[in-house]
Amino acid sequence: GIQVEQSPPDLILQEGANSTLRCNFSDSVNNLQWFHQNPWGQLINLFYIPSGTKQNGRLSATTVATERYSLLYISSSQTTDSGVYFCAVLYNQGGKLIFGQGTELSVKP
Amino acid sequence: DVKVTQSSRYLVKRTGEKVFLECVQDMDHENMFWYRQDPGLGLRLIYFSYDVKMKEKGDIPEGYSVSREKKERFSLILESASTNQTSMYLCASSFLGHGEAFFGQGTRLTVV
Repeated sequence: GIQVEQSPPDLILQEGANSTLRCNFSDSVNNLQWFHQNPWGQLINLFYIPSGTKQNGRLSATTVATERYSLLYISSSQTTDSGVYFCAVLYNQGGKLIFGQGTELSVKP
Repeated sequence: DVKVTQSSRYLVKRTGEKVFLECVQDMDHENMFWYRQDPGLGLRLIYFSYDVKMKEKGDIPEGYSVSREKKERFSLILESASTNQTSMYLCASSFLGHGEAFFGQGTRLTVV
């Protein structure tokens, strides 16, 4: 089956710093999403980005499907950005959404 | 706004009880999913459904069953709850094919 790997597993930043989170996947995918899991456990949709680049405020994402990776950029980080960031891919076979292990981000004031 | 609603945020059940976790979506999505999330193991797919009365096993279906009698509702059933089913359970829905998935708020189940 497809492998989805996220890096780094943990990241500690000072407020105001920028960061890049990476998601590598081992096979062709139909869909890629980035989520932020809030402290209460809910997964919040950040980007639906099977290819190309999108921006939403301080966050942006780029997926290069031919090279099988996606990047999530967080600029001018805030303490409210803390939490776990997941990428998930919709694999060609069977419609399953497969998750990476996540990057746990901690932004210090 | 897409809304996926899980019936409980927190649930405590006894070993051996039959447990129902309910999920309702209001976007007429064909696909619905149940995941569990455990520390160090990430999110793992239990079951999914792409149509009413249709179901497919995910990666960890043992000890669970599902029911989808109506398009908007997908139920996860623990036939006889055990302590190793203590976990965070997350429901999601999406349109068939390449649709964006949306998640409910999650249910933290504790089996004692």
